[in-house]
Amino acid sequence: DQQVKQNSPSLSVQEGRISILNCDYTNSMFDYFLWYKKYPAEGPTFLISISSIKDKNEDGRFTVFLNKSAKHLSLHIVPSQPGDSAVYFCAASESYAQGAQKLVFGQGTRLTINP
Amino acid sequence: NAGVTQTPKFQVLKTGQSMTLQCAQDMNHEYMSWYRQDPGMGLRLIHYSVGAGITDQGEVPNGYNVSRSTTEDFPLRLLSAAPSQTSVYFCASRRGGNSPLHFGNGTRLTVT
Repeated sequence: DQQVKQNSPSLSVQEGRISILNCDYTNSMFDYFLWYKKYPAEGPTFLISISSIKDKNEDGRFTVFLNKSAKHLSLHIVPSQPGDSAVYFCAASESYAQGAQKLVFGQGTRLTINP
Repeated sequence: NAGVTQTPKFQVLKTGQSMTLQCAQDMNHEYMSWYRQDPGMGLRLIHYSVGAGITDQGEVPNGYNVSRSTTEDFPLRLLSAAPSQTSVYFCASRRGGNSPLHFGNGTRLTVT
């Protein structure tokens, strides 16, 4: 049973446009959400996170939106750049701030930015 | 800071062989964990540790052992390798609170 789902395996966006990556979850106890970016032959690197007490968090070109009633989060990248081409994973956890270690990941979405 | 260091980068094993994947971090993080990444399945938690001497099972622990004798090191042992353990393995660590996980660059393991 996949508790965190990224239903789009791939996404292609033109350089300069907005990229929107989506993630759905089923566990209403999740209280912390993270996005990671992964290049080939490297480990995932942290991008941005959001706590369940917020509905939006911004960091430069990256914004994460959380809709708790729909159990949905999205990552917006504006403007998209060629270096953003990578696989993006969303992840979720219960009681993360209290030291929980069980981070549940989605399957990933491969983003390609076309020049 | 080297961050999270994993060795080896690549490994090929025959079915039934055993081996240890090494993981070390120099950030004094108390939490460490092991994930495996398989196509179409994201990353799945194998084992984790909340401090030296304390380990626990994740989502897919069967066939793997861990120990945490120091804060820095968290090795993952495959007791008797099986083809189903062919995967990319990532070690990760973090501080407490809402700090994110920091990942190593992975070990690509093939079991024939």
